[in-house]
Amino acid sequence: NAGVTQTPKFQVLKTGQSMTLQCAQDMNHNSMYWYRQDPGMGLRLIYYSASEGTTDKGEVPNGYNVSRLNKREFSLRLESAAPSQTSVYFCASSHGTGGRTGELFFGEGSRLTVL
Amino acid sequence: AQSVSQHNHHVILSEAASLELGCNYSYGGTVNLFWYVQYPGQHLQLLLKYFSGDPLVKGIKGFEAEFIKSKFSFNLRKPSVQWSDTAEYFCAVNALGSGGYQKVTFGTGTKLQVIP
Repeated sequence: NAGVTQTPKFQVLKTGQSMTLQCAQDMNHNSMYWYRQDPGMGLRLIYYSASEGTTDKGEVPNGYNVSRLNKREFSLRLESAAPSQTSVYFCASSHGTGGRTGELFFGEGSRLTVL
Repeated sequence: AQSVSQHNHHVILSEAASLELGCNYSYGGTVNLFWYVQYPGQHLQLLLKYFSGDPLVKGIKGFEAEFIKSKFSFNLRKPSVQWSDTAEYFCAVNALGSGGYQKVTFGTGTKLQVIP
C-alpha cells in the first residue's frame, strides 16, 4: 500500500523561482494537509483541505498556494521561493469525519532548500 | 484556538531507564489526542491515540499514555527504553467542535536520545 506519496523528495531552488510539491493518497481520505517542519518549531499547518473542492489557510499560509485537484491529490505551490521557505514539507491525510478524527497519515517528506 | 505544550525539548536516557514525556494542551472541549514518533530521517508515524473510553492507552513498541482530563495532559510513558527508541516525539491534539473542520495542532516535539 502506497499510503501518502509526495514528490519530489529533495529540491534546491534559487530565490524567486517557483515550484509545486505534489501529494497523492490512496486511502480514500476526505481531508488533506500540508505542514512544514522546522527545528524547534514542530509541525506548522500551511493549508488544509477538509474535502474535495475546499481549501483553507492554516497557521503559516503566506507565500504558498494549494490546489485540491481531486479527492486523491493536493498540491502545494511556491510562487516565488524565499530562503525562509527552506524547510521539510509533509503532506498528510485523514478520514476527517465523525468523532474519531485527527489521526494523520504522513508522506515521507520533501526537503526544500532555497538559496 | 488550541495549543499544545511539550516541556521537554531534549531528553537523554540510558537504555533500560524509564521514560515519561509531558504533553499539556489548552482547549476546554472534547479532544482526540495523539503521540507521533519520527525516527531519524523518516516521516511521522502514529505511536498511539486516544478518542474516548479508558484514559490509559497502549501503543506500539511498549509505549503508553494517560489522558488526565482535569490536568489537560496526555503524557507518554515507557517502562524501559531501548536504543532504537531514539527519535523525536510529537504530541498532537484534535479539538472537536460543532461542525466545521477540526484542526490538528502539534507540540514542538521532544528529542529522545537513548545511550546504549
